[in-house]
Formats: sequence, structure tokens, C-alpha cells
Amino acid sequence: DAKTTQPTSMDCAEGRAANLPCNHSTISGNEYVYWYRQIHSQGPQYIIHGLKNNETNEMASLIITEDRKSSTLILPHATLRDTAVYYCIVRVAGNNAGNMLTFGGGTRLMVKP
Amino acid sequence: KAGVTQTPRYLIKTRGQQVTLSCSPISGHRSVSWYQQTPGQGLQFLFEYFSETQRNKGNFPGRFSGRQFSNSRSEMNVSTLELGDSALYLCASSLQLGMGNNEQFFGPGTRLTVL
Repeated sequence: DAKTTQPTSMDCAEGRAANLPCNHSTISGNEYVYWYRQIHSQGPQYIIHGLKNNETNEMASLIITEDRKSSTLILPHATLRDTAVYYCIVRVAGNNAGNMLTFGGGTRLMVKP
Repeated sequence: KAGVTQTPRYLIKTRGQQVTLSCSPISGHRSVSWYQQTPGQGLQFLFEYFSETQRNKGNFPGRFSGRQFSNSRSEMNVSTLELGDSALYLCASSLQLGMGNNEQFFGPGTRLTVL
């Protein structure tokens, strides 16, 4: 699976949009981009994933560049409860591929009042 | 629908002992993965089971083992515990194996402390 690079930490004001970048310059054509987050001492929580197109769900938006070498997770109106470590993961999809996720260090997002 | 459940939530053992952790996936999910999380190494993949068969294994010693039952419930076992095995052990379940649109749902974890 491709390696990802994320900033170690970021701050965001409550109510503002949080934009979390991820670089995955060695991504392959059959690799998806996944985002998970982990709130302190809890299990990771799935947020969103995409292959090529931008995606949006009730939690966040995922913007993938046209060359797929980077992506941005957008939390449109960050709240204090969004304070967590955010992980960007790329993984191969396919019938013979497993579900293994390779976690990097992630970005520690601190939402401040 | 109930989420992923893990038992016990907390466990204290001493060096040399063995431990068994249990995971019940979301109803209907057939894939179960296990991860270890430590402050030093972060989240690391242990192994993955699908239809009672181990499909993938991470880079951990043979002291770490697991199995999956016909009802998809899974257990992992660590024998001859070492201090470095102190960690949060997380279980994740998925509906299928390997498909791109295949999110994983994590349980709350079992926090193991080895004294």
C-alpha cells in the first residue's frame, strides 16, 4: 500500500472549516483513499473514502486532486468533539486484497473554542 | 444494529502468562481484523480472518495467534506475555474482504497491561 504523509498537528477554531491535507504521491490506480479518526482512547472511526472523484457524506468531504497524488479531508463546521487524530490511508481494493489498514502517524487536530 | 464488541475491556496480567481476547463483529460481517496500538509504534496490523481462515498476518512473533469461529466471532491469544505487549488491542469488522467500498468498523478495544 502507498505511503502517506500528513502534518503532525493542526489547530482549528470551533465553527470553522478544518482542512486536513494528505500526500500520497506513490498511489496506484487501484488504491482507494480512506480517512479514519480516533478520539482519545476509543477505536478508530471510519469517516469517508474515495477513488477518483470528490466525495461527501454527513461527516465530511473528501477532495482528491486530479493526479490523485494528494487529498484533503474537509470538516465543514468543526466542533470540539472533532478533536481527534485523523488518519489518511491508501489501500488496494480487489477480490484478493485483504482489509488490512496501514496506519501512519496521522494528524492530531485540536479544535479550539 | 449493535457495533463491534470486545471483551474484556481491561486486563492486567503478569509476564509469562497468556491471555485470550474476544471480538464479536457486527451481525452479518464476515471479516475480522486485529490491531495493536502502543504509544511507540502506533496502530499496527496483527492479522485478519475471513470465513474462519487467516487471510493476512502482520509482522508479529508467533506468540500472537488468533482464530475465527463459524459465527464470525474471533479470538486472539498472546502467550508468554512480555512487558512490551502492554497495549490497546483493537478489533475491526467488515462485511466482505478486499472490496474497495468496504469500510471497517472498530470496537472499543481491550486495554492489556502486563506487569
